[in-house]
Amino acid sequence: DAMVIQNPRYQVTQFGKPVTLSCSQTLNHNVMYWYQQKSSQAPKLLFHYYDKDFNNEADTPDNFQSRRPNTSFCFLDIRSPGLGDAAMYLCATSGPTGSGELFFGEGSRLTVL
Amino acid sequence: KQEVTQIPAALSVPEGENLVLNCSFTDSAIYNLQWFRQDPGKGLTSLLLIQSSQREQTSGRLNASLDKSSGRSTLYIAASQPGDSATYLCAAHDQGGKLIFGQGTELSVKP
Repeated sequence: DAMVIQNPRYQVTQFGKPVTLSCSQTLNHNVMYWYQQKSSQAPKLLFHYYDKDFNNEADTPDNFQSRRPNTSFCFLDIRSPGLGDAAMYLCATSGPTGSGELFFGEGSRLTVL
Repeated sequence: KQEVTQIPAALSVPEGENLVLNCSFTDSAIYNLQWFRQDPGKGLTSLLLIQSSQREQTSGRLNASLDKSSGRSTLYIAASQPGDSATYLCAAHDQGGKLIFGQGTELSVKP
């Protein structure tokens, strides 16, 4: 059973048209992450939430925003997608104590036309 | 700043071979190290997690080792199968809570 679910799996948008990607989890983990992965590259951390505390990476463009309305859900908003934002977006979760293991969803593939 | 490197970038082996994938990291102050598998167009599947206090972890045909002093981890795959073909990523979890990834090793196991 999927524990980290991302929707949609595939998203096509036009240059400049806002996009929202969603992530939900059934693990009750308090930490949620958003990563961007471009073709043949390592995943790059955009931001993460520790409970409701938002932590933005210094080099994450302002074009990327995130919301976490409750423990189970987290959203990635791309306000004005450019061609360079075409990528796989990966959501992950981890628990508050113990191993620190991260669990990933299947990803959302964004295409910008 | 933590940097993670994986060598080789790609590897092709015949079915049945044992193989080793390498991962190195620059900062030994890690919380743990995690190995993932990624199939084309898919998300990451966690394979093994090694805590900083551990030396190795095993799951089935997979064995991962960790040597913090030398900044290295290896993933050993025994008796490789075509179904093992995928990209394998290692990631170091630093003390600040961030997971830093290597670029991955693309493995192809030929029947």
